[in-house]
Amino acid sequence: KNQVEQSPQSLIILEGKNCTLQCNYTVSPFSNLRWYKQDTGRGPVSLTIMTFSENTKSNGRYTATLDADTKQSSLHITASQLSDSASYICVVTNSTSGTYKYIFGTGTRLKVLA
Amino acid sequence: DGGITQSPKYLFRKEGQNVTLSCEQNLNHDAMYWYRQDPGQGLRLIYYSQIVNDFQKGDIAEGYSVSREKKESFPLTVTSAQKNPTAFYLCASSRATGGTGELFFGEGSRLTVL
Repeated sequence: KNQVEQSPQSLIILEGKNCTLQCNYTVSPFSNLRWYKQDTGRGPVSLTIMTFSENTKSNGRYTATLDADTKQSSLHITASQLSDSASYICVVTNSTSGTYKYIFGTGTRLKVLA
Repeated sequence: DGGITQSPKYLFRKEGQNVTLSCEQNLNHDAMYWYRQDPGQGLRLIYYSQIVNDFQKGDIAEGYSVSREKKESFPLTVTSAQKNPTAFYLCASSRATGGTGELFFGEGSRLTVL
C-alpha cells in the first residue's frame, strides 16, 4: 500500500532556532517528492521538489534531503521566523503510464514562538 | 497572474441543501482535482478530471458530484447525501502528463453545515 508518514505531528520552537521535519514513504513507482507549506486557512504552496537522483536541495532557509534507498526525506528549516508557522506537507508523486497520482502525508504543524 | 481561483472562501449550508464550490484555473492544465482536508488528516481525493467532459471518482466521492464542461472550470457540488460535509475543500490542477506533475492549489473553501 502506498503510504507517506510524517513526524513529528506537531512542533513548537523558538524564533531563530533550527528544526527538521521527517517524511518516510512507501510509494512505488516513485516519481518525485515535494514539500508543501500550508498557512492556516490557505492552500498549500510548493517549497521544493526532489527527484530520485537528488540528495539535497535548498530554497532559501529551507533545505530538503532525500535518501531513495531508505525512502526517507527531511525538511530542515534554518533560523526560523514567525512566518514559518504553518503546516508542512510531504507529497510523493507516483507516475504510472505517464499520469500522476499523489500520496499525501498528514503534515507537521510547526509553531514558531517569539 | 496565472493561478487557481476558488470561491466562495467561506460557505454556510443548512442540512438538506446542496451547495456548489467553484474552481477556475488559467494555467492551461488538463488535470484538475478536488480534495477534502480535515484536522489531523491528510488530503483526501474526492474527484479528479484528466480531460474535459471526463472525470473519475477519488477515494471519498460519495455525496459529491462534479462536472468538467470547460478546461478551465471544475465545480464541486456537495449534496445533501454527504453526511459530514463540514470541511476545508481544496481544488488543484496539474499537467496531465509530462513535466514533474507539480500540483498547484487554490486558496480553499471552508464549508460549514449549520
